[in-house]
Amino acid sequence: DIQMTQSPSSLSASVGDRVTITCRASQSISTYLNWYQQKPGKAPNLLIYAASSLQSEVPSRFSGSGSGTDFTLTISSLQPEDFATYYCQQSYSLPRTFGQGTKVEIK
Amino acid sequence: ELQLVESGGGLVQPGGSLRLSCATSGFNFSSYEMDWVRQAPGKGLEWVSYISGSTITIYYADSVKGRFTISRDNAKNSLYLQMNSLRAEDTAVYYCARVFRNEDNRRYFDYWGQGTLVTVSS
Repeated sequence: DIQMTQSPSSLSASVGDRVTITCRASQSISTYLNWYQQKPGKAPNLLIYAASSLQSEVPSRFSGSGSGTDFTLTISSLQPEDFATYYCQQSYSLPRTFGQGTKVEIK
Repeated sequence: ELQLVESGGGLVQPGGSLRLSCATSGFNFSSYEMDWVRQAPGKGLEWVSYISGSTITIYYADSVKGRFTISRDNAKNSLYLQMNSLRAEDTAVYYCARVFRNEDNRRYFDYWGQGTLVTVSS
């Protein structure tokens, strides 16, 4: 199974900050990498697919990059509605493993 | 409007069984792969199981293999998860999710249900 490791596990940031979350795969997954946002009590919501493609209706302040084993999710200017937990997920092979999540909190 | 609505969760004793359902509408259900994903209280997302549109291909996480059975009824636009020999560690919110496959053969979960809570406790 492919293991996905996110860092950091949590971070504190202020509105307007640039935030970067990292995801590392235990083996090369090309660009078979997706990012989701989850708010408390809600289902996850797709942000980025294929490592860098922005899902429809997702604000352009979200971006993704990377290939192979190392990936990043960047929020260019953090907004109040962005405080949430973010997960990466590989779709290279089954099982479709998730990272452990990164909680973005208000500083 | 596209919808996925889970049901069937509840409180069950260890060793018991439960059947979850995911009723879908607003899309051609039989054309899509479907997955179950769960989330234990306060924990991260854990992928559980996958079924192809034709039901030919099925896959399980090691943690549920031999105890859970995924199935679907394309005539009823519904997905199911039969859970047997339940353990305390199966306590979680269970989500059904639609798998979208794009023109580059990339797969991702583009729609999720609201989740149904399964609590395994005596």
